[in-house]
This record gives sequence, structure tokens and C-alpha cells, in this order.
Amino acid sequence: EAQVTQNPRYLITVTGKKLTVTCSQNMNHEYMSWYRQDPGLGLRQIYYSMNVEVTDKGDVPEGYKVSRKEKRNFPLILESPSPNQTSLYFCASRPGLVSYEQFFGPGTRLTVL
Amino acid sequence: AQKVTQAQTEISVVEKEDVTLDCVYETRDTTYYLFWYKQPPSGELVFLIRRNSFDEQNEISGRYSWNFQKSTSSFNFTITASQVVDSAVYFCALTETGANNLFFGTGTRLTVIP
Repeated sequence: EAQVTQNPRYLITVTGKKLTVTCSQNMNHEYMSWYRQDPGLGLRQIYYSMNVEVTDKGDVPEGYKVSRKEKRNFPLILESPSPNQTSLYFCASRPGLVSYEQFFGPGTRLTVL
Repeated sequence: AQKVTQAQTEISVVEKEDVTLDCVYETRDTTYYLFWYKQPPSGELVFLIRRNSFDEQNEISGRYSWNFQKSTSSFNFTITASQVVDSAVYFCALTETGANNLFFGTGTRLTVIP
């Protein structure tokens, strides 16, 4: 089954404790991205990647890092989480720039205390 | 600059009523794509429709229909004979040709009362 998977689905952590949210897709998509969803703000893009080793900032990249060492994986790293990063996070993938339907993962609900 | 406005924050309807969710967008590009996504209480994002800027034909899929009007920069979504399972947050989104981002509206929470 074609899908985007994220782990963990739920995470409660404390300020400053490094964490990684994994994202994997099995559709051989070139393009992957991370969004965060906050009440009243909709979804905003954090980072995106157009292919292996090619990443760039989205609209709200502060406090996040990403890497794209393999085509299928695009982990989101919070080196020193803060309470304002409490949010619902979505990973997404699509075949490339010429195809615009994004496939979203199930979401990761992160709480930073 | 891209912008998507969903002015209706929350809507409540009684089951079997029709409901229209509004979406107004701004873009300087002549080629762009508009989307609707559904987010049920379980939290995942479900793709509903994609429409490109050159196709202004309205679309109907079962109880769902979409009205795209470039003259008013709107891409409204109507649910006919609403059902409790339609209760969700609905997002309208926009991307321009070659863009690396999908710009979302703030969403409309629809509650269908049995």
C-alpha cells in the first residue's frame, strides 16, 4: 500500500531534550516536506526536500533541522525543543514539481513541557 | 504573494442540510492549483480535490461539489444532504507552478448535528 508513515504518532517531552520524528514514504517520491499545524493558523511548511541531499527552508524553519540521506526518509530533528514547538506535525511527499498532489502522513502530535 | 482565506471558522448544520464552505485565494501567478483537504477527528489529512487554474468547470463527486470562479478568486465547496460523518475540519490550499509550498487556509470546522 502506497503510504507515508511517521513515528512516533504521539510524543510528550521536556524542554531541551533532543528528539527526532521519522518520516518514510514507499512511493519513490522525489519531493518531501514537513508541515506544522496550529489552531487558527492552518498548516505551515517547515522544510522541504526536492531530492536526496537537497533541502531548503519553508516558512517556519526556526528550531528545526532535517536531512535527506535516502530518497524514502526525511526525518525532522528538534535539537532543543521548546514549548512553542508543541504542535501537530505532518510529513508529506509528492512525485516532483510537476505533480502537485501531496500525500500526507498520519501526523505526529508533539507536546513540549 | 499567495494567500488563502477561509472566513468561516466554524459551521454547524443539522443532518441532511446542504452546506457551503467558502475559500477565497490570492495569487499573482496565472497558473496555479487549488485543493481541498478533509481532516476528520482522527487527525489525518484526506485529499478531496485538485483543480488547476485553467479548468473552471464545476465538479461533482457524489454529495460533494466544487464551484471554481476565477472572476471572484473563489473555490467553494458544497456538501449536499450532509451526514454526521462529514463532521471535520476542511482546508482549502493553493500552490503556484514551480512552487515548493502548499499554502493552506486556516480551515473551517464543520459540525453536522444528528
